[in-house]
Amino acid sequence: DGGITQSPKYLFRKEGQNVTLSCEQNLNHDAMYWYRQDPGQGLRLIYYSQIVNDFQKGDIAEGYSVSREKKESFPLTVTSAQKNPTAFYLCASSPLAGVLETQYFGPGTRLLVL
Amino acid sequence: AQSVTQLDSHVSVSEGTPVLLRCNYSSSYSPSLFWYVQHPNKGLQLLLKYTSAATLVKGINGFEAEFKKSETSFHLTKPSAHMSDAAEYFCVVKGGNTPLVFGKGTRLSVIA
Repeated sequence: DGGITQSPKYLFRKEGQNVTLSCEQNLNHDAMYWYRQDPGQGLRLIYYSQIVNDFQKGDIAEGYSVSREKKESFPLTVTSAQKNPTAFYLCASSPLAGVLETQYFGPGTRLLVL
Repeated sequence: AQSVTQLDSHVSVSEGTPVLLRCNYSSSYSPSLFWYVQHPNKGLQLLLKYTSAATLVKGINGFEAEFKKSETSFHLTKPSAHMSDAAEYFCVVKGGNTPLVFGKGTRLSVIA
């Protein structure tokens, strides 16, 4: 079964703690993306990667970090510098990062602050 | 630069009546346009996309959208709403080698 998996489904963070959200795809896609979704805000791009070992900041990268050591994996770390991390986080991938790309989304991780 | 405006944050229709979700866009390039649907606490699913071929685009589940360059619009329609259509819908624009830009979403409610 091909697709994108995100884990965990729910994640709780304590004050001052870093947490890492997992995103894995077995679609052999080159590009991967992380979005943050807040109610009434649509989706905002955090980071994206078009190729292994390379990634670019999106619109709201502050307080987040990523790595792309393998083509199929693009984990997102929410650092303690992100003061308002409560949100729904969506990972996506696409075959290429070109103008005709279609992005395929994972089921999301909901992050809550204790 | 690209931007997209979804003109209604919430639309409510009765089951069996037509659906119209409105989207206007702005793009410095010839844009690609998409509609995605999101059911509660789920990821997004592609409904349809426009990529400079036919201006009337047919998607899944009976949805379609028409690209109107003169009006910079890409409205989503369906002739007859079903209860399972209740969800959040996002209009998305892409131009050049830039990331996708999402609208803020329209929540569709379907009343029995």
